[in-house]
Amino acid sequence: DAMVIQNPRYQVTQFGKPVTLSCSQTLNHNVMYWYQQKSSQAPKLLFHYYDKDFNNEADTPDNFQSRRPNTSFCFLDIRSPGLGDAAMYLCATSGTVYNEQFFGPGTRLTVL
Amino acid sequence: QKEVEQNSGPLSVPEGAIASLNCTYSDRVSQSFFWYRQYSGKSPELIMSIYSNGDKEDGRFTAQLNKASQYVSLLIRDSQPSDSATYLCAANTNAGKSTFGDGTTLTVKP
Repeated sequence: DAMVIQNPRYQVTQFGKPVTLSCSQTLNHNVMYWYQQKSSQAPKLLFHYYDKDFNNEADTPDNFQSRRPNTSFCFLDIRSPGLGDAAMYLCATSGTVYNEQFFGPGTRLTVL
Repeated sequence: QKEVEQNSGPLSVPEGAIASLNCTYSDRVSQSFFWYRQYSGKSPELIMSIYSNGDKEDGRFTAQLNKASQYVSLLIRDSQPSDSATYLCAANTNAGKSTFGDGTTLTVKP
C-alpha cells in the first residue's frame, strides 16, 4: 500500500543534543510538509518542499532545518533541541499544494 | 485573529444525532479546504476536501463552503461513538501555505 512512513515513532533526546527525524513516502507526491503539533494545538507548518524547492515559514526557528535528498525522503534536523521543542512532528505529502495531505504516523519527540 | 478559526468545543452529541462543525478563514486567497479527523495520539486523516462553493456529500459527511463569507462547515449525520475525535479544518493557498485551525473535539455519547 502507498503510504507515508516516519522514523522513529518515538525519540528521546537530551537538551541541546542534535536529532534527526525522517520521513519517506511511496506515493510519489511532489510536495512534502513538516509540521510541529503540541498538545491540544493545531499542527504548525514548519516548512514544505515542492519538488526540490524549499519553502520556510517565516516564524520557523533557525534551530530547525530540513533536507530532501530525493522525491521519496525528507528529513527534519533539530540542531539544538530545547524543552520547548518537545512535540509531535508530523510529515505529510500531497500531489500539489492545492490538494489534500496524507500524514505519516508522526514522531513523538521528548527532550530531557 | 487566527487565520483559521473553529467553533470552540468540546461538542457533545447523542448517538444518531447530527454534529455540526464550523470554521472561518481570514486569507481570501485560500483555494482549497479540508476537514481532517484526529484521534488522540494519532495523526490527522482526511475526511473531506472541498474546492468550490456549495455542498459536497460523502456518506454521512457533508462539507459546505461559502467563499464570500469565508466559511466552511462539516455536518456528520447519524453520529457514531467512533466519530468521537478532534476535527481539524485546514485552508490551503496556491502558494502552498497550509493553515490548520485548533480543532473541535467531538464526543458522541451512546
